[in-house]
Amino acid sequence: EVQLVESGGGLVQPGGSLRLSCAASGFTFSSYGMNWVRQAPGKGLEWVSYISSSSNTIYYADSVRGRFTISRDNAKNSLYLQMNSLRAEDTAVYYCAKVGRLRCPDYWGQGTLVTVSS
Amino acid sequence: DIVMTQTPLSLSVTPGQPASISCKSSQTLLHSDGKTYLYWYLQKPGQSPQLLIYEVSNRFSGVPDRFSGSGSGTDFTLKISRVEAEDVGVYYCMQSIQLPIFTFGPGTKVDIK
Repeated sequence: EVQLVESGGGLVQPGGSLRLSCAASGFTFSSYGMNWVRQAPGKGLEWVSYISSSSNTIYYADSVRGRFTISRDNAKNSLYLQMNSLRAEDTAVYYCAKVGRLRCPDYWGQGTLVTVSS
Repeated sequence: DIVMTQTPLSLSVTPGQPASISCKSSQTLLHSDGKTYLYWYLQKPGQSPQLLIYEVSNRFSGVPDRFSGSGSGTDFTLKISRVEAEDVGVYYCMQSIQLPIFTFGPGTKVDIK
């Protein structure tokens, strides 16, 4: 069974930093690309970032480029999102999602809440 | 960038009745490989999104056959043949022709009358 468990969310002041983690199990993590997708309170889904299986290809949404860094450790079956220079508009539940052979996020974690507020 | 739109944005349905959601993309989602990269997700209250339909009309593993998808190019439809109480939530369409950049529609909230 595919399992994705996010952690690292919390309350942070504007301008601060936070590092999210996603622990993966139930599939060969090193074979799949991974995403971060976020959802602001009461809002829709917004794709944030993608990393390929070998970390060779990385993409970011315009809204986070230059502030967020996606990475992975295939030996630890883990995905990360380093978030710097956080803004109030970054407040959201952050989901990690596996990108499957169907070219889409096919399995999602339960999400971790990031709140940026003074 | 591709923009995804959905109509309606909310829908109230009597159990056992059909429901239909429309999704339109600002550009064709037909890839040169012949496939059309349009997907449907359901986010039930308090849960993470779950994949329902891939490549316009294919049901994902475990998805009931009351869910069906259709369309081509830029116009797509998700239909629920007979809505059940467990179908409430927000439905999103999503494109991946610009993989690995994904774009979601604004969502359609479905509730039960």
